[in-house]
Amino acid sequence: DAGITQSPRHKVTETGTPVTLRCHQTENHRYMYWYRQDPGHGLRLIHYSYGVKDTDKGEVSDGYSVSRSKTEDFLLTLESATSSQTSVYFCAISESSSGNTIYFGEGSWLTVV
Amino acid sequence: RKEVEQDPGPFNVPEGATVAFNCTYSNSASQSFFWYRQDCRKEPKLLMSVYSSGNEDGRFTAQLNRASQYISLLIRDSKLSDSATYLCVVNILGNAGNMLTFGGGTRLMVKP
Repeated sequence: DAGITQSPRHKVTETGTPVTLRCHQTENHRYMYWYRQDPGHGLRLIHYSYGVKDTDKGEVSDGYSVSRSKTEDFLLTLESATSSQTSVYFCAISESSSGNTIYFGEGSWLTVV
Repeated sequence: RKEVEQDPGPFNVPEGATVAFNCTYSNSASQSFFWYRQDCRKEPKLLMSVYSSGNEDGRFTAQLNRASQYISLLIRDSKLSDSATYLCVVNILGNAGNMLTFGGGTRLMVKP
């Protein structure tokens, strides 16, 4: 399995609080991604990174910010969590931009109450 | 219209059956195609890539029809362990890496 660790794996938080999810990789891959998965919508890209300090928005970026200060870490922050952000969040990594395999972390289950 | 569409199922089949899943995609600029498998409460994992000429991996066969923008996955001799959700995935090479678009998944349940 690819060396990807997500933390926390499960979290319950209150509306309006900030939340940060961490993705850590040991593969030295250049590209990192954050997805959310919801029933009826499948996996949707929130933000991605193509290098240290290089990030861009995905399909559903509103309400989320990211940072990548080191190759191995990609942080996803919900500045003020809302109930609509209750979801499963998957981090993913890939080595190249040529359409090769991306590998997913085990997921972080977030509930906003 | 969703960019990648799949029948959500569930497909309930007996062991040993042959089952086929279909997927359509809307962006003709799509460049590479995959099937991922996702078990309940687990992360998606690559099952196989899909090539224009069609490709086979054991009991699994994938086909691509670029003209019709259609991808298929055939599973022969279904096993109980094949029960999972199968995600059709399309890659559009963006400015910065893989821009994968996922279908909603097709759920397969193989029964004894």
